[in-house]
Amino acid sequence: GQQVMQIPQYQHVQEGEDFTTYCNSSTTLSNIQWYKQRPGGHPVFLIQLVKSGEVKKQKRLTFQFGEAKKNSSLHITATQTTDVGTYFCAGPRGTGNQFYFGTGTSLTVIP
Amino acid sequence: DTEVTQTPKHLVMGMTNKKSLKCEQHMGHRAMYWYKQKAKKPPELMFVYSYEKLSINESVPSRFSPECPNSSLLNLHLHALQPEDSALYLCASSQDPGYTEAFFGQGTRLTVV
Repeated sequence: GQQVMQIPQYQHVQEGEDFTTYCNSSTTLSNIQWYKQRPGGHPVFLIQLVKSGEVKKQKRLTFQFGEAKKNSSLHITATQTTDVGTYFCAGPRGTGNQFYFGTGTSLTVIP
Repeated sequence: DTEVTQTPKHLVMGMTNKKSLKCEQHMGHRAMYWYKQKAKKPPELMFVYSYEKLSINESVPSRFSPECPNSSLLNLHLHALQPEDSALYLCASSQDPGYTEAFFGQGTRLTVV
């Protein structure tokens, strides 16, 4: 069935470096959400993208939805130690409206 | 109040025990969810309740039994679990079933011995 894959699985960066995670779907997505989960914590909603080619920014975070609505990316500029965690994209599967999580990218920021 | 509250935070149970996980939200959300998360894995959807009715069961074994007593409460009844069922169980809610952001509780860390 439809799966949402993320790359890379793990990423270690020096504080101040940029970071990008990519989310790829085998089928067209009606929309996509992004969540962050800190170590030992629970997922926290970051954003939802709906339109083809949509770009949204939240301070140092930039989210993009691909033109074909099959991929999405999250870019963090000048990472900080507070950015540590696992970033998940989540998209609907099949004809349902429920969101299923991608495989996630675990970000480590080295001070 | 934008919180989803889960109790207990930690639970250790034997394979012959019966226990229940509880979840509560007071945001007026009409959809509530149970997810299971193993270490270093994404949350896996188990059940979805929409307007207090079970709308999705992701082929979850019958030893997990969900219940939605009212629009604010969601329970997960556990019976005869296996050690491989040990995981973080997350409850979430959203305004509507799908297309809106989900608010997650802190989770219940379950260990089956």
